[in-house]
Amino acid sequence: GQQLNQSPQSMFIQEGEDVSMNCTSSSIFNTWLWYKQDPGEGPVLLIALYKAGELTSNGRLTAQFGITRKDSFLNISASIPSDVGIYFCAGSGSQGNLIFGKGTKLSVKP
Amino acid sequence: NAGVMQNPRHLVRRRGQEARLRCSPMKGHSHVYWYRQLPEEGLKFMVYLQKENIIDESGMPKERFSAEFPKEGPSILRIQQVVRGDSAAYFCASSPSPPRGNQPQHFGDGTRLSIL
Repeated sequence: GQQLNQSPQSMFIQEGEDVSMNCTSSSIFNTWLWYKQDPGEGPVLLIALYKAGELTSNGRLTAQFGITRKDSFLNISASIPSDVGIYFCAGSGSQGNLIFGKGTKLSVKP
Repeated sequence: NAGVMQNPRHLVRRRGQEARLRCSPMKGHSHVYWYRQLPEEGLKFMVYLQKENIIDESGMPKERFSAEFPKEGPSILRIQQVVRGDSAAYFCASSPSPPRGNQPQHFGDGTRLSIL
């Protein structure tokens, strides 16, 4: 079946640092989405990508949809403490159902 | 402008009991998706419904699980004769148009089901 591989699994950030994470798939997706999930809450949509090669920004977040439609990256610039959480990539299946990666957990450096 | 509403937020059941999870989509949304999330995992698709119709239930376990989205009222995910392995967070998402409309799904805050 379709699978998304997300990396890194976890990372530590210091306030002000830039963060980068990515997602790859063996299958082509027509839509690629990035969500953030805080503990005890549902995923919140950050960025939606619809066209191969598309580069989209949302404030300090930037995401790109790979030209092959099999990968995407998410960058966070000048991180702040509230960026902590779990970031999920998701590809849209043929019926619109989402296939999720396992997430990248962002934590604050001790 | 309410988002996707799920209730209850937390549900505790004993093995063998039934669990009913409810989801009210965002206003104007007629497409509902249910997902299950185990700890430290991503969300896994279960079922996709439109009003009064199940469109795709390829992610639903064949036994004990059922879902509906009646003409009036919320969507219901029903788990009969629950077992410990059913313990998870169950999320509902809604969207306003069919998949080809490229409308992203918006999620509720989930129901955390615990089986004693």
